[in-house]
Amino acid sequence: DTGVSQDPRHKITKRGQNVTFRCDPISEHNRLYWYRQTLGQGPEFLTYFQNEAQLEKSRLLSDRFSAERPKGSFSTLEIQRTEQGDSAMYLCAADTQYFGPGTRLTVL
Amino acid sequence: QKEVEQNSGPLSVPEGAIASLNCTYSDRGSQSFFWYRQYSGKSPELIMFIYSNGDKEDGRFTAQLNKASQYVSLLIRDSQPSDSATYLCAVNDMSGGSNYKLTFGKGTLLTVNP
Repeated sequence: DTGVSQDPRHKITKRGQNVTFRCDPISEHNRLYWYRQTLGQGPEFLTYFQNEAQLEKSRLLSDRFSAERPKGSFSTLEIQRTEQGDSAMYLCAADTQYFGPGTRLTVL
Repeated sequence: QKEVEQNSGPLSVPEGAIASLNCTYSDRGSQSFFWYRQYSGKSPELIMFIYSNGDKEDGRFTAQLNKASQYVSLLIRDSQPSDSATYLCAVNDMSGGSNYKLTFGKGTLLTVNP
């Protein structure tokens, strides 16, 4: 148990729907990262927070993706108008050490 | 585009042997190097990190870094069947605002045969 929890663990949605994922990291870690991982690939960086500030967002990330970290605690990742290509495992990490269990998204 | 290259494997070794996993990276400015283990269906688990040239040992694991050659490796001594997993190499990406944003390789699948 890394102390990082993610919810939900699995999400199945239809194309065009919006989805939101939540990450609750270890409280003392200021840096929080979102990664996306598809089968046979390593995790791909999506975005990064230092406390409540979103400091970087991948250029590969379309405008359909948005993330927040109010009060520097938990974080949410929202995907609007989902596409089948969004199907992946979405991983949250506190610093470089602690990955959450991930949310597996399937877009039908 | 920062790149981290790993052989996808599978790498198969007998139980008790030394498993050697290799990784090369393209960004000469990278300063931090990480090895993660990922079991099928699970999230990555940090095994080791290394910042300086040379070797770093932790139990059965040894990380080796050669910045001149842009090469980092992981040795697993006395390999056990429980070591069977995908091993991900990650390198910090100095671009942008974070020193801790990581670029991952695709991983090497290791199988340890009893």
